[in-house]
Amino acid sequence: GESVGLHLPTLSVQEGDNSIINCAYSNSASDYFIWYKQESGKGPQFIIDIRSNMDKRQGQRVTVLLNKTVKHLSLQIAATQPGDSAVYFCAENNDYKLSFGAGTTVTVRA
Amino acid sequence: KAGVTQTPRYLIKTRGQQVTLSCSPISGHRSVSWYQQTPGQGLQFLFEYFSETQRNKGNFPGRFSGRQFSNSRSEMNVSTLELGDSALYLCASSLSGQVPKGDGYTFGSGTRLTVV
Repeated sequence: GESVGLHLPTLSVQEGDNSIINCAYSNSASDYFIWYKQESGKGPQFIIDIRSNMDKRQGQRVTVLLNKTVKHLSLQIAATQPGDSAVYFCAENNDYKLSFGAGTTVTVRA
Repeated sequence: KAGVTQTPRYLIKTRGQQVTLSCSPISGHRSVSWYQQTPGQGLQFLFEYFSETQRNKGNFPGRFSGRQFSNSRSEMNVSTLELGDSALYLCASSLSGQVPKGDGYTFGSGTRLTVV
């Protein structure tokens, strides 16, 4: 079936550097994508979303890029902080459900 | 505003038993969906409810069921528990469950179910 996947299961980044987390999706009909952050013992927390009629969307320290041609989604975190250490998931929304990728564990080095 | 509330937070059950988990959505949210999270399978969609009607169901056996009440609160039930049902069960609420207008799906902290 259709699914959303992340390219790397883990990412180690130096504090203060920028982080880029990638995701590939396969359902070309998907029209809404969300990035979530999940910390230990908590549920996924909404970070930022983007609709298929957009290529880029910016939030506070985060930017999501959508490339529909190659069905690729990325999350950029500027000036990564220790509190950014978590598992990050991309998800696509259709038919009243979210289909999640496998997740990328981000570890921030002091 | 209050977030999504899931109860209980932790649960230990024996194989063959059944379990009921509860989810109270954000006030005003009418869509509630459930997900199972395991280390091996990741986050898997179970089902979604809107105005007491199930609109979509994931690929899980019939032992997994759910319902939604008129106040939008939802419960899910798992009967004849198996060891493989051990997981974090997450509930998410949204205004309508469709492409949101500037809002995403808000998740609760989950119920950690352990089957022994």
